[in-house]
Amino acid sequence: GESVGLHLPTLSVQEGDNSIINCAYSNSASDYFIWYKQESGKGPQFIIDIRSNMDKRQGQRVTVLLNKTVKHLSLQIAATQPGDSAVYFCAELLNSGGYQKVTFGTGTKLQVIP
Amino acid sequence: EPEVTQTPSHQVTQMGQEVILRCVPISNHLYFYWYRQILGQKVEFLVSFYNNEISEKSEIFDDQFSVERPDGSNFTLKIRSTKLEDSAMYFCASRGVEGAADTQYFGPGTRLTVL
Repeated sequence: GESVGLHLPTLSVQEGDNSIINCAYSNSASDYFIWYKQESGKGPQFIIDIRSNMDKRQGQRVTVLLNKTVKHLSLQIAATQPGDSAVYFCAELLNSGGYQKVTFGTGTKLQVIP
Repeated sequence: EPEVTQTPSHQVTQMGQEVILRCVPISNHLYFYWYRQILGQKVEFLVSFYNNEISEKSEIFDDQFSVERPDGSNFTLKIRSTKLEDSAMYFCASRGVEGAADTQYFGPGTRLTVL
């Protein structure tokens, strides 16, 4: 079956350090992999995505790495700030005839220690 | 910046009652979605909607659920006879048509509490 899951439920980092959040997936048919950030009381917010034929993509302070050999996805946040404290979800996106289906993982809570 | 809005922010209802959760997607978007998140669990896909019809639905989206776009701006999720296990956050999302991975924008959610 297909599934997307996270290794660590909670990650605590010092402000200014780099954070790495990991995710394992099992469905190789996904077209994209996405990282979402969810702050308390809010809906998921898109951070960055990566197409399945890429292995790295960089954004502002964030980098997503995709290792298809071991079906592993990671999100790296540089110089973590208190505002980065949230739950981070990896998700896989399947496209079919223009329609999308997004399947979320279970989430990792990132706690930034000032 | 345009955003998806949802009302109400919190809905409390008695088991067996009907509820309608409302969403106003971003105005030029054409694909619409409902997700739910039971407290402490992951976000789960419910249904996607395009061109006035359901394009895909999950096993959660049974006959008790329905969606509608009654006018040019609203997108609603109806639960006909709520159950205790329907208590969750319900998120609406919408996206445009610019690309295969065009981002889905999520609303702030409606917290449904079934007593």
